[in-house]
Amino acid sequence: SYELTQPPSVSVSPGQTARITCSADALPKQYAYWYQQKPGQAPVLVIYKDSERPSGIPERFSGSSSGTTVTLTISGVQAEDEADYYCQSADSSGTFVVFGGGTKLTVL
Amino acid sequence: EVQLVESGGGLVQPGGSLRLSCAASGFTFSSYWMSWVRQAPGKGLEWVANIKQDGSEKYYVDSVKGRFTISRDNAKNSLYLQMNSLRAEDTAVYYCALVVVPAATEYYFDYWGQGTLVTVSS
Repeated sequence: SYELTQPPSVSVSPGQTARITCSADALPKQYAYWYQQKPGQAPVLVIYKDSERPSGIPERFSGSSSGTTVTLTISGVQAEDEADYYCQSADSSGTFVVFGGGTKLTVL
Repeated sequence: EVQLVESGGGLVQPGGSLRLSCAASGFTFSSYWMSWVRQAPGKGLEWVANIKQDGSEKYYVDSVKGRFTISRDNAKNSLYLQMNSLRAEDTAVYYCALVVVPAATEYYFDYWGQGTLVTVSS
């Protein structure tokens, strides 16, 4: 099976940079997608195709990829960014979609 | 404006059945893959099933294969999930999601409904 591994938690102070990683355990790597989920709300797409930002998502959200690891970077973190973040991809056959376990971002 | 509204959740006994519905509006429903994603209480997201625009391709997570069936009615702009032989571990909020396919074998979820809670308990 195909798995994505994220750190359970990341903590940063306001104004600092948060980096959340997502590692795939199998090749070839497909694109990764990132979602933000606040308590009691549905997830919202914040990054697609590793590094593209949907319209309406603040510029402080960016994504990058290196090998089988993708990273969501939030520059100048604000209190409103406190949320759970999930990476997502699909296996190379296109028959299975997988989410990472999620990372809770805490803004200190 | 894209809207996805789920319904049909509730309390069901183990071994029972439930049918979830998702009413779609604000986009050309018949042009998009659709999906169900669930989230157990306090847990992460889990993809459940995908269905192609014309219903000719359907994919499921292993844990629901043979028990759940995804379907759609493009004339009614509606997505469904028939859930049979329900287990306690199926307890979750079930989200309907609009799927974007940027390339063959790639999927992501562009819009989500607010979800409907399914509780499997005696």
